[in-house]
Amino acid sequence: DAGITQSPRHKVTETGTPVTLRCHQTENHRYMYWYRQDPGHGLRLIHYSYGVKDTDKGEVSDGYSVSRSKTEDFLLTLESATSSQTSVYFCAISGTGTFLYEQYFGPGTRLTVT
Amino acid sequence: GDSVTQMEGPVTLSEEAFLTINCTYTATGYPSLFWYVQYPGEGLQLLLKATKADDKGSNKGFEATYRKETTSFHLEKGSVQVSDSAVYFCALLFNQAGTALIFGKGTTLSVSS
Repeated sequence: DAGITQSPRHKVTETGTPVTLRCHQTENHRYMYWYRQDPGHGLRLIHYSYGVKDTDKGEVSDGYSVSRSKTEDFLLTLESATSSQTSVYFCAISGTGTFLYEQYFGPGTRLTVT
Repeated sequence: GDSVTQMEGPVTLSEEAFLTINCTYTATGYPSLFWYVQYPGEGLQLLLKATKADDKGSNKGFEATYRKETTSFHLEKGSVQVSDSAVYFCALLFNQAGTALIFGKGTTLSVSS
């Protein structure tokens, strides 16, 4: 299994509060991703990173920001949480070499915004 | 745009039954195709993949063949077990580093003994 951890695993927060989710990898891989999973939508990309301090937007990036100051950590921040951001958030990393075009997922963070 | 369509679930089977979960895709290029599995309360695990037309991916008794002519990647297993109960996602990915997986909505499989 790819060494990916996410924290926290569960969080309940109030509308309007800032929230930061952390993804940590032990694989030293270059590419990291944040997805959200919602019923009836599968998973959709929020942001991704292609190196330290190098990030780009995905399909559903509005209301989210990311940062990557170290190879192993990729942070997702909700500046002011809204109820529409209640979801399960998954971090993923790409493989390397012949596995570059595969993605491996962390265990997820269930976020509830009340 | 590029998309993946899976059969609606839930799919309910008895142990040892044959499983098919249909997946078709729309893509402007030549993506790799994947099946991921998600067990309750867990993240997604890569089950199998195929990178070009006519490739067959296989793992743990599951198989899927990349059919370019029908733009399909149907998942099959000859004899399901209760432990196969999970949500299955079909996905495509273009072979460019940093691109997003495009997922279907998922199909829930429930196997009873």
